[in-house]
Parts: sequence; C-alpha cells; structure tokens
Amino acid sequence: EAGVAQSPRYKIIEKRQSVAFWCNPISGHATLYWYQQILGQGPKLLIQFQNNGVVDDSQLPKDRFSAERLKGVDSTLKIQPAKLEDSAVYLCASSSLAGGDSYEQYFGPGTRLTVT
Amino acid sequence: DAKTTQPTSMDCAEGRAANLPCNHSTISGNEYVYWYRQIHSQGPQYIIHGLKNNETNEMASLIITEDRKSSTLILPHATLRDTAVYYCIVRAGTSYGKLTFGQGTILTVHP
Repeated sequence: EAGVAQSPRYKIIEKRQSVAFWCNPISGHATLYWYQQILGQGPKLLIQFQNNGVVDDSQLPKDRFSAERLKGVDSTLKIQPAKLEDSAVYLCASSSLAGGDSYEQYFGPGTRLTVT
Repeated sequence: DAKTTQPTSMDCAEGRAANLPCNHSTISGNEYVYWYRQIHSQGPQYIIHGLKNNETNEMASLIITEDRKSSTLILPHATLRDTAVYYCIVRAGTSYGKLTFGQGTILTVHP
C-alpha cells in the first residue's frame, strides 16, 4: 500500500512570508495528524483531524497556523506569517483509528522548512 | 499520559542484541507502552506496543516489568540500518491517539 505523501520536501522562505504544506494520507485512514519537529527534539502534535473534523488543536499557534482537511482526505497546513522559530520539519501522519486499545500511526517523510 | 525517561544515547555492535530501557514509573492501568523509531531524515516508524504482557513481532521484542514501571525494547540482532532515535511513549487506550514524544534514545550500531 502507498504510504503517506507530503509535499514539498523542502522549503526555504523569508520571515513574514507565508507557506503551505500538503499531505495525502493512506487511503481509508480516517485520522490525520500534523506534527512539528524542531531539530534535536521529538515531534510535537499540532493538530489532529478525525475525518474532516478537528479533534485536538490545543498546541496549534492559531494566530499564524491554520489547517484544513477537505472531504476528509487530503490536508493542508499553512503558516502566515512565518517566524524564524517556525524552522522545523513538519510531519504528517495517519491512522485508521483514533483511539481504542491499539493503533499504529504511519508517518510521511516530512517537509523541512527553513525560515531566514 | 505518563512521562517516560530514556537514556540519551546507546551503542551496540552489529549482530548483537540491542536492549533499550525506558522508565515510566507513573504509568496508569489503562496506558499502553509504544515504541517508535526515527531513522535520519525519515518520519517515525512504529515498532511495537504492549499493555502488560511481553510482546514480540518481526522487528523487536518488548519486555514490560510486572509492576509496569519500566520496559525494555530488544532488537535481537542489530544491524547498521537500526541506527536511529528510539522513542518510548506511554498512551492511554482511551485517548484520541495523540502521541507525546520525548527526546528518545539515539542508538548507534557499530560495525
């Protein structure tokens, strides 16, 4: 089966510019996650969707970050305006279940964002 | 979710078993132990998970102590491709799936 697809793989922008990342989850996966991974740290959840509804966005900086998941499939994460501290790898993951006793999250390769 | 503590780094010789410890002394009864790993420039990859019984799959074995306050991930025959950051994560089965990653253990497998 095809994995989680993300694009672009790399992006360099200047501070105060805007940027968007795209994610296509594994077919049939209802749950989609966006994580931010700063160099040297573990990934941190930004937002979680169940189908096209938001389950958890408690750590999303809503003044500059936004995300949507149209039709419960693909998702886009946007940053506007970007700050230097947004430099990180943005990881998308999907899973077939949101909870229950066990599940597995499948991660994409990530988008490396550099803000100069 | 309970907090986990892992060594910052470990080394292992190729072909030997790699034993990665994790402490989760505040784990509660409905929380599972998950292990993920992240190879350089890739997204994290699921390895194994367990509640209280020891578990084994094609990648690794998970040994959970009887009091569930600690666990060990065992890679039986480490290869150079197993060099990665290994994350031990505790998550409630009733949660909505959020994984809280710590710093993890950098495992380096030497020839």
